[in-house]
Amino acid sequence: AQKITQTQPGMFVQEKEAVTLDCTYDTSDQSYGLFWYKQPSSGEMIFLIYQGSYDEQNATEGRYSLNFQKARKSANLVISASQLGDSAMYFCAMREALEYGNKLVFGAGTILRVKS
Amino acid sequence: NAGVTQTPKFQVLKTGQSMTLQCAQDMNHEYMSWYRQDPGMGLRLIHYSVGAGITDQGEVPNGYNVSRSTTEDFPLRLLSAAPSQTSVYFCASSYSVGYSGNTIYFGEGSWLTVV
Repeated sequence: AQKITQTQPGMFVQEKEAVTLDCTYDTSDQSYGLFWYKQPSSGEMIFLIYQGSYDEQNATEGRYSLNFQKARKSANLVISASQLGDSAMYFCAMREALEYGNKLVFGAGTILRVKS
Repeated sequence: NAGVTQTPKFQVLKTGQSMTLQCAQDMNHEYMSWYRQDPGMGLRLIHYSVGAGITDQGEVPNGYNVSRSTTEDFPLRLLSAAPSQTSVYFCASSYSVGYSGNTIYFGEGSWLTVV
């Protein structure tokens, strides 16, 4: 079974600085996908960024980039120029194949607090 | 979270009561699923469906029942609520069974407390 590990329960970052949220994964599949989601205090799950295992370049979406190191099985999220609104829970997730479909396997999450 | 609607948003149940969490999507997605979120554990899959009439269990299915009579709706039933089912529930849908990119849509979540 696949597994996602997020080793940082909580992080602080100063406003306008960059921050890296760690994610390591374990899989024996050759084809897989990695996701990052943001969950603010209101509770909804907000998709941030996706990286496919065969994508040659690291994914970027605005201030979000994914530092994908396949050999190390890591998919760290980098948030540049942090804003107060970035304070939230962040989940790393991986697509896992089921008999008839797929599911997302989530890490435990990292709480990010941005300080002014 | 346009397109995936969950109701109710908040619910308090007594132990032993039954209830149904509703999930509806209007994007003609074939793949729908239910997750529960517990502190320190991320989200875990309860049940999923790959189309009308086809459902299967996820990793934490006990105490829950689902059916998929239409493409649009995927209700989650708690048969006899237990305090261990206190959680936040998310419905998700996707156009195809192959997740990719940002094609997974989550509902806004349903907060359930069982006393």
